[in-house]
Amino acid sequence: KAGVTQTPRYLIKTRGQQVTLSCSPISGHRSVSWYQQTPGQGLQFLFEYFSETQRNKGNFPGRFSGRQFSNSRSEMNVSTLELGDSALYLCASSHGRGLNEKLFFGSGTQLSVL
Amino acid sequence: GQQVMQIPQYQHVQEGEDFTTYCNSSTTLSNIQWYKQRPGGHPVFLIQLVKSGEVKKQKRLTFQFGEAKKNSSLHITATQTTDVGTYFCAEGRDSGGYQKVTFGTGTKLQVIP
Repeated sequence: KAGVTQTPRYLIKTRGQQVTLSCSPISGHRSVSWYQQTPGQGLQFLFEYFSETQRNKGNFPGRFSGRQFSNSRSEMNVSTLELGDSALYLCASSHGRGLNEKLFFGSGTQLSVL
Repeated sequence: GQQVMQIPQYQHVQEGEDFTTYCNSSTTLSNIQWYKQRPGGHPVFLIQLVKSGEVKKQKRLTFQFGEAKKNSSLHITATQTTDVGTYFCAEGRDSGGYQKVTFGTGTKLQVIP
């Protein structure tokens, strides 16, 4: 079974631009979560999708958005990029939605904003 | 937002020494998951604890959940260079019928050969 796939692996953007990151979960997994990882802030929860609907959201500005498609693939979008958005963006999938589901992470997208 | 605190933030040990990281919360935890992230890699699930006072072992790793379910620990016996990485605890909490997983601040382990 293929793991969680994230594309692209690396991205370089400039301030003010927007970016779209993609995540394909493990086959059969219906939940996709997104996390931002920075050296100073650790792993911060962005949002979680299940059955094409956002179920939970972290404390990030509206510039961060996402969506999930009927095949469970997910995208996240960051508009009007700021220098502080430079980070590793990790996607994680899980089979179901309930408590005690373990997360399977992709390799992440390293975003650099210049 | 609320974050589970981990101590220490960094730990350097000589190969063969033991290592322990602690995870603390001011509120009762629903469960605790532990993940390991190797340098340049992504977090990988290690184990989950659900019951008060639960203890689980994986070879040289011992995981504990506190009696009050407000703290947890990961202990590694006789560290090896392959143990290098950052260890995260994470809480899975019910949020509107869906699990929201919040990660701790992490403990970065360096093993000196």
